[in-house]
Amino acid sequence: EVQLLESGGGLVQPGGSLRLSCAASGFTFSNYAMSWVRQAPGKGLEWVSGISGSGGSTYYADSVKGRFTISRDNSKTTLYMQMNSLRAEDTAVYYCARSQGSSGYIELPVDYWGQGTLVTVSS
Amino acid sequence: DIVMTQSPDSLTVSLGERATINCKSSQSVLYSSNNKNYLGWYQQKPGQPPKLLIYWASTRESGVPERFAGSGSGTDFTLTIRSLQAEDVAVYYCQQYLYSPFTFGPGTKVDIE
Repeated sequence: EVQLLESGGGLVQPGGSLRLSCAASGFTFSNYAMSWVRQAPGKGLEWVSGISGSGGSTYYADSVKGRFTISRDNSKTTLYMQMNSLRAEDTAVYYCARSQGSSGYIELPVDYWGQGTLVTVSS
Repeated sequence: DIVMTQSPDSLTVSLGERATINCKSSQSVLYSSNNKNYLGWYQQKPGQPPKLLIYWASTRESGVPERFAGSGSGTDFTLTIRSLQAEDVAVYYCQQYLYSPFTFGPGTKVDIE
């Protein structure tokens, strides 16, 4: 059974940093591209960042480029998101998401989602 | 970036009736090399993560009821729920996954009348 378990969310002050983790199990992690998708309270979905199965290619939304860094450790089957210079508008539930198919490419729909971890940026 | 729009913002449908949601992309998401539309539909119920319903614009994900159908090509797409059930109350999103950033539409809320 595919499982994605996010952790690392919490309350942080504007300008602060957080590191999100997503522990994956139930599939060959290195064969799948992964993404982070966020949802601000009461709002829609926003794709934030993605990484290929090998980790060799990374992708970012303009809203987080230069502040967030996605990475993965295939030996630990874990996805990460380092978030720096956090702003109030980064407040959201952050979902870890797996791209469909075992090619490792990112250009595929998301077929599994974690339950999300809440990040609140506030003073 | 590709901008995704959806219409309507919300709709209320009677049980057993048809619900139709439209999605439009600001540029084509049809990839000519494989003739596939890089367009997916997701359902999100309150307090839950999204669930993939449709991919490649018209392919139903495993386990998704046949009453859900996707259609369209290029820049214009439709999700049809043929006979609305109570459990279909949710917000529905389209997403293009051809070009990064892989943008979502703003969502369409479906309620029962």
